[in-house]
Amino acid sequence: NAGVTQTPKFRVLKTGQSMTLLCAQDMNHEYMYWYRQDPGMGLRLIHYSVGEGTTAKGEVPDGYNVSRLKKQNFLLGLESAAPSQTSVYFCASTLAPSNEQYFGPGTRLTVT
Amino acid sequence: KQEVTQIPAALSVPEGENLVLNCSFTDSAIYNLQWFRQDPGKGLTSLLLIQSSQREQTSGRLNASLDKSSGRSTLYIAASQPGDSATYLCAAPNNAGNMLTFGGGTRLMVKP
Repeated sequence: NAGVTQTPKFRVLKTGQSMTLLCAQDMNHEYMYWYRQDPGMGLRLIHYSVGEGTTAKGEVPDGYNVSRLKKQNFLLGLESAAPSQTSVYFCASTLAPSNEQYFGPGTRLTVT
Repeated sequence: KQEVTQIPAALSVPEGENLVLNCSFTDSAIYNLQWFRQDPGKGLTSLLLIQSSQREQTSGRLNASLDKSSGRSTLYIAASQPGDSATYLCAAPNNAGNMLTFGGGTRLMVKP
């Protein structure tokens, strides 16, 4: 049982480049989330999904897109990266909102 | 809008001390509260989840309490050890129940 995995672990982008972060979970969880963590700002929700084929905006969705084509995968896309998107990105999943959320190890993204 | 505050932001104690970390939240209509541990450069590890119907939850040397009426939760760590050094985060769901709001965390250092 790998839990929640994220790829890649590190990435450096130049302004304007695009990339996709992959989150995978093997716990058959319905709910999946993407957060960003910044010094002094804590963890903030970017987008989330309550099931395969559905996505919704969180607190800070601008500049990001997501897709949940398969139940076990949740993709986060940056179409045109900006320095303000330099952050650590965490994916999480849970069976239901009343249950524990399980987090991946994070992706450290630097945009220059 | 749910707001979560953690005090103190940092705490340094000698090994063996019992300690209390505090978490307060503004919207008391929560159905659970979750405590996490984060080691430097790592993801979040779930420690305890307290449902709204519970007053406390225990795991080993950790005990978390929940008082919805006062909007407070505490994490009690007994007989602290250097290995407990980490950042501790609490998180409460928003009133729609579709996302967690995190506190800023308490950075704990346990000195040998």
